[in-house]
Amino acid sequence: DQQVKQNSPSLSVQEGRISILNCDYTNSMFDYFLWYKKYPAEGPTFLISISSIKDKNEDGRFTVFLNKSAKHLSLHIVPSQPGDSAVYFCAASARGNQFYFGTGTSLTVIP
Amino acid sequence: EAQVTQNPRYLITVTGKKLTVTCSQNMNHEYMSWYRQDPGLGLRQIYYSMNVEVTDKGDVPEGYKVSRKEKRNFPLILESPSPNQTSLYFCASSLGQPSPLHFGNGTRLTVT
Repeated sequence: DQQVKQNSPSLSVQEGRISILNCDYTNSMFDYFLWYKKYPAEGPTFLISISSIKDKNEDGRFTVFLNKSAKHLSLHIVPSQPGDSAVYFCAASARGNQFYFGTGTSLTVIP
Repeated sequence: EAQVTQNPRYLITVTGKKLTVTCSQNMNHEYMSWYRQDPGLGLRQIYYSMNVEVTDKGDVPEGYKVSRKEKRNFPLILESPSPNQTSLYFCASSLGQPSPLHFGNGTRLTVT
């Protein structure tokens, strides 16, 4: 059973606009959440993380929001750039042992 | 340069022929793990290791073995590969407890 879900396989956004990628999880024991970006023929690259004691974390154009009551995580990219076009994975962990990944959302930023 | 190195990048083999995919990290990370990526299933954890000589099963360990004799190396062993193990494999490492995973560039395995 998938403990981390990304229900949108793909997303298209105009350059300069906001990209919002969503992720839901089922395990209330998860206390650490991450977003990764993946280009073809490369390994996933870490973008941003958040611990369960926070509800928001920002790093430049990237902001992650955590809603623990809804078991929902989102990644906002503002402004979106063509180089952001990639597959984005969310991941979750309980105490840093096993990591569970979603199935990914393919983001296309249209110039 | 800090990195996780996997070898080989591509491997085609036949059913039943034992193979090893190597993984090495130069960041002195405590934690290492292996994942497989399949279409529609995302990344699924095969095995992980919290430290030298300590390994644990992930979600899909059947048909795989690992060892952690040294901190920097974490090889993935397929004793008798089968076609359902055709996949894209990633090794990752982290400082642990918790911290982000750093991934290698992947090994595309095809078992015929």
